[in-house]
Amino acid sequence: EIVLTQSPGTLSLSPGERATLSCRASQSVSSSYLAWYQQKPGQAPRLLIYGASSRATGIPDRFSGSGSGTDFTLTISRLEPEDFAVYYCQQYGSSPVTFGQGTKVEIK
Amino acid sequence: QVQLQESGPGLVKPSETLSLTCTVSGGSLSNDYWSWIRQPPGKGLEWIGYIYSTGSTNYNPSLKSRLAISVDTSKSHFSLNLRSVTAADTAVYYCARGDGWYYFWGQGTLVTVSS
Repeated sequence: EIVLTQSPGTLSLSPGERATLSCRASQSVSSSYLAWYQQKPGQAPRLLIYGASSRATGIPDRFSGSGSGTDFTLTISRLEPEDFAVYYCQQYGSSPVTFGQGTKVEIK
Repeated sequence: QVQLQESGPGLVKPSETLSLTCTVSGGSLSNDYWSWIRQPPGKGLEWIGYIYSTGSTNYNPSLKSRLAISVDTSKSHFSLNLRSVTAADTAVYYCARGDGWYYFWGQGTLVTVSS
């Protein structure tokens, strides 16, 4: 199975700053079948990005995804107060589907 | 707008079977994939498996020997059965639409395995 490693584990930033989250795969993710989710306490994950770089419906354009092969990045251009949460990457190019362990974006 | 809602017991005894149902409203189960994902308290997400509306399935190998997912399109629901549970199966269980990326999710239901 493909193991996804997210870094850093925790990112401490201030509102208005840029956040860069990394997701590295143990083998190439076919067809860039990689997604990103945001999760807040007590809530289900919210899809942000699919296909490595396509924004899901209703997602603000401050969220962007990039990458291919084994290295992927989620960028939040300017953090809003509601963006402080845990973020997960997920690959769905090969079975079993796997998720990264998460990156927590916290207020500095 | 598709909505999903998980239901089932919140407490299951060790060695017994965990059974959950996901009821779908606002859309049909036909011609689509439906998935289960879980999250142990304070931990990350684990994919459990999916079922297509015709009944074909794909399971996580780590759970395959204990797992069964079924679908009833006439009742607009799909179900999860996980046998011989242990404390390691304690988690919030989510149902979701799709077999790849998941836009529509249920709110999740906490299942605790304890005697």
